[in-house]
Amino acid sequence: AQRVTQPEKLLSVFKGAPVELKCNYSYSGSPELFWYVQYSRQRLQLLLRHISRESIKGFTADLNKGETSFHLKKPFAQEEDSAMYYCALSGGYNKLIFGAGTRLAVHP
Amino acid sequence: EAGVTQSPTHLIKTRGQQATLRCSPISGHTSVYWYQQALGLGLQFLLWYDEGEERNRGNFPPRFSGRQFPNYSSELNVNALELEDSALYLCASSKSGGSPSTDTQYFGPGTRLTVL
Repeated sequence: AQRVTQPEKLLSVFKGAPVELKCNYSYSGSPELFWYVQYSRQRLQLLLRHISRESIKGFTADLNKGETSFHLKKPFAQEEDSAMYYCALSGGYNKLIFGAGTRLAVHP
Repeated sequence: EAGVTQSPTHLIKTRGQQATLRCSPISGHTSVYWYQQALGLGLQFLLWYDEGEERNRGNFPPRFSGRQFPNYSSELNVNALELEDSALYLCASSKSGGSPSTDTQYFGPGTRLTVL
């Protein structure tokens, strides 16, 4: 079965603290994974994709096939990082399979 | 560049009625995707249209249908509405229908459908 699990509904941290948003997936083939973000009153937008191995806004994510994980990390959280974060998996034929999302709240 | 637009913003219907939701992709994009986001759940893939054809469909009953017009805009129709159809419906577009790894899906603001 193709599935994305984000175990935390809410992650609350203080500014400057490290952040790790967890994502685990289930997929039989070679996975293509993404992180999408939705800031308050804005549209859902792509944050990063594993194939690019990029760092966006200080966030990175490494695909760990052994642990079937794609956790999103940032060493020092900023208040403007507060948003809803969705992990997604490409399930073939352009279908994106999303997790339920994690709300990140960064407090001053 | 204008983003993906959706109309209406809100739609209220009663059980058994039909709902029609509309989406205009980014200019130059040929692929349109529909997702449903029910309360407390992640987005669930509904439909993918490219070049006027339905290319993929999620696990939804046949009363969810749609089409893509020659100008690449799209319409999602939900027949015989049920209470559990109440959700935010998001439309996304991409340039050419390639893999999401190379052909980013850009999302619209959504249509909030409420079924009473």
